[in-house]
Amino acid sequence: AQSVTQLDSHVSVSEGTPVLLRCNYSSSYSPSLFWYVQHPNKGLQLLLKYTSAATLVKGINGFEAEFKKSETSFHLTKPSAHMSDAAEYFCVVSESNYGQNFVFGPGTRLSVLP
Amino acid sequence: KAGVTQTPRYLIKTRGQQVTLSCSPISGHRSVSWYQQTPGQGLQFLFEYFSETQRNKGNFPGRFSGRQFSNSRSEMNVSTLELGDSALYLCASSPGLDNEQFFGPGTRLTVL
Repeated sequence: AQSVTQLDSHVSVSEGTPVLLRCNYSSSYSPSLFWYVQHPNKGLQLLLKYTSAATLVKGINGFEAEFKKSETSFHLTKPSAHMSDAAEYFCVVSESNYGQNFVFGPGTRLSVLP
Repeated sequence: KAGVTQTPRYLIKTRGQQVTLSCSPISGHRSVSWYQQTPGQGLQFLFEYFSETQRNKGNFPGRFSGRQFSNSRSEMNVSTLELGDSALYLCASSPGLDNEQFFGPGTRLTVL
């Protein structure tokens, strides 16, 4: 069975400093991995996805993530935080052996301080 | 292209009632999934439909059911509502396997 661990429930950074949101996954198959962001009172928006192509994945708004199979990790990074990045971030694993079943991590709330 | 739409956006029901939520996927998307989001349990997968067939099901009681129509629109039904069913219900559509899902704004269900 697949599962996702997001190691930090809350991360606080200052504007202009780097962001690191950590994600570890467990999967029986070769998974697809995603990061989604949810701003307050808004829907989920895809940041980036990994589907067995390049291990370094670039997403929207300057975010990127690196797939490390040996560490079963898919950490999300951004070189310089912006106030508008404050939101809830979800790491997602999907095994499409039959059908599509997204398993969400518990989420990491990112706060950006001025 | 229009995004995923969900109706209604807000709903208040009382215990024991039943409710039906509706989801219209992005045009051309044949996969529709449903999720429940609560502060305590986070985002949990309910079920996925593809071409009118339930292809995957999460770990929810039989009170939660769904269906998909030939135009890919989907409905989910919750019968005999309980207080714990209060949640944000999210619908997502996808072109198919190994593809990202596009989420709707959700239906906020409150059970009194």
